[in-house]
Amino acid sequence: KAGVTQTPRYLIKTRGQQVTLSCSPISGHRSVSWYQQTPGQGLQFLFEYFSETQRNKGNFPGRFSGRQFSNSRSEMNVSTLELGDSALYLCASSLAEHGYEQYFGPGTRLTVT
Amino acid sequence: KNQVEQSPQSLIILEGKNCTLQCNYTVSPFSNLRWYKQDTGRGPVSLTIMTFSENTKSNGRYTATLDADTKQSSLHITASQLSDSASYICVVSGGSYIPTFGRGTSLIVHP
Repeated sequence: KAGVTQTPRYLIKTRGQQVTLSCSPISGHRSVSWYQQTPGQGLQFLFEYFSETQRNKGNFPGRFSGRQFSNSRSEMNVSTLELGDSALYLCASSLAEHGYEQYFGPGTRLTVT
Repeated sequence: KNQVEQSPQSLIILEGKNCTLQCNYTVSPFSNLRWYKQDTGRGPVSLTIMTFSENTKSNGRYTATLDADTKQSSLHITASQLSDSASYICVVSGGSYIPTFGRGTSLIVHP
């Protein structure tokens, strides 16, 4: 069974631009969660989607948004990029909502210049 | 405020030796505690998951313990291998299921 895939793997953007990251969960998994990882703050929870609905949201500004499609694939969008948004963005999938066991993808490395 | 503190921040051991990593948390109410291993440049991989009623969980050479009364957990690695070199992250989820992450312990295993 294929693991969680994230595209693109690397991305360079300029301040003020917006970016969309994609996550394809493991087949059959219906929950997708997104995380931001930086050297300064470590891993932080962004949001969780289940059955196309946002179930939980972390403490991030409204510039960070996401959505989930009927096939469980998910995208997250960051608008008006800031230098501090440079990070590794990880998504994780699980079978059920508030997934007891999550499987992480390799991440998308975003650099904002 | 929910917090997860891990110690030590970094650890260097010789191959074949055992080690123990610590995790203290203030998350309340408690839902579950997870330990992850993260290799450089890769996503975290789940090692153990424990709920309130579990106080020990093993996964091969990895054994996690949980004391819900003192809000402490430990991860014990037995007979370390070079491939154990990684960051080990403790994650605690509360009643809302929003996870709080520790900053991790960086483990280096030398031959």
